Amino acid sequence: NAGVTQTPKFQVLKTGQSMTLQCAQDMNHNSMYWYRQDPGMGLRLIYYSASEGTTDKGEVPNGYNVSRLNKREFSLRLESAAPSQTSVYFCASRYRDHGYTFGSGTRLTVV
Amino acid sequence: SQQGEEDPQALSIQEGENATMNCSYKTSINNLQWYRQNSGRGLVHLILIRSNEREKHSGRLRVTLDTSKKSSSLLITASRAADTASYFCATDSAHSGGSNYKLTFGKGTLLTVNP
Repeated sequence: NAGVTQTPKFQVLKTGQSMTLQCAQDMNHNSMYWYRQDPGMGLRLIYYSASEGTTDKGEVPNGYNVSRLNKREFSLRLESAAPSQTSVYFCASRYRDHGYTFGSGTRLTVV
Repeated sequence: SQQGEEDPQALSIQEGENATMNCSYKTSINNLQWYRQNSGRGLVHLILIRSNEREKHSGRLRVTLDTSKKSSSLLITASRAADTASYFCATDSAHSGGSNYKLTFGKGTLLTVNP
């Protein structure tokens, strides 16, 4: 089925560990996004990529890095995880002036 | 900071009643979108209204947009228990000279529809 695929779905990290969240879309969308969602909050933008080869910071980029590997894939890396990064992470893609398509999320816990 | 603010934060109604949620935002927009999120799940796009549109319908959903007041409303008619979810408004705005677009979310309205 066409859409946005995120892996893994769940992850537990120890403080200081690193990991990469993977995201891939098969809809040939140019723009891709990473959001985090904390309890009682809406989604906050971490980083986005308007097109292959470009990335820009969003509202809460500190502690994260991203890579737009190709048009399909946009990964989010935590170099040294902190408890404050415990959250649910969503990847999304956008096609022109249409609604965004979201992945099912990665639930990350940092202990 | 978050662009949209939904009102109310929580809404509880009986099945069959209508539910109205409001959203206010701060800056100019390309379009405004509404999403639904069931507990613990991903977001589902419901409806998009462009900045030059005033009203849009999709099934039991009706969205209005007032750009002069920077506000929007989502009406769900004849609600069902399955409509129980969080509803978010999100504004799509251009940045970096108009070539890049970002979607900015409000904190959401938790709708509970009682059978």
